Amino acid sequence: DGGITQSPKYLFRKEGQNVTLSCEQNLNHDAMYWYRQDPGQGLRLIYYSQIVNDFQKGDIAEGYSVSREKKESFPLTVTSAQKNPTAFYLCASSWQLRDTQYFGPGTRLTVL
Amino acid sequence: GEDVEQSLFLSVREGDSSVINCTYTDSSSTYLYWYKQEPGAGLQLLTYIFSNMDMKQDQRLTVLLNKKDKHLSLRIADTQTGDSAIYFCAEKNYGGSQGNLIFGKGTKLSVKP
Repeated sequence: DGGITQSPKYLFRKEGQNVTLSCEQNLNHDAMYWYRQDPGQGLRLIYYSQIVNDFQKGDIAEGYSVSREKKESFPLTVTSAQKNPTAFYLCASSWQLRDTQYFGPGTRLTVL
Repeated sequence: GEDVEQSLFLSVREGDSSVINCTYTDSSSTYLYWYKQEPGAGLQLLTYIFSNMDMKQDQRLTVLLNKKDKHLSLRIADTQTGDSAIYFCAEKNYGGSQGNLIFGKGTKLSVKP
């Protein structure tokens, strides 16, 4: 089955800890994206990557970091510098930048 | 700046038609999208329309685009309880962050039996 997977589905973190969210796709897409969703809000772009070994900040990159060492993987690290990390995180991919985006199932992060 | 506006809630009875509306500001938008999000899940692409089209129909879904008024609507015919979800309108934006889709806040559709 082709698609985008995110793990884990639920993640709990203590304040002050870094945590890494996984996103994998087997669609052979070049571009990948991370969004954050808060209740009653639309999606806000954290980081995006046009191609392997390249990534750019989105609208709310502070307190987050990413890597793109492999085409199929785009992990997101939520660092302790992120002031309010509790949210639903969505990963997406597209053939190329600006093409139609397809989303993974999301990871709900809760900071205790 | 770029903005996408949607009403937050819509309630309909099973079997009725639902119409979800969206307005956007970027006149250079080439594609406009509708995504569906069920509780606790990711976004599912429902349909999209290219800006040189006025209408697109796909089974129970009809998308209407009024480019002059920058107004997009999604009509769901014969709405079922399984259609209960949040529906996001999004525009492909060429300003700001490259490759960014600008999303509305979503319209929560409740279908009553």
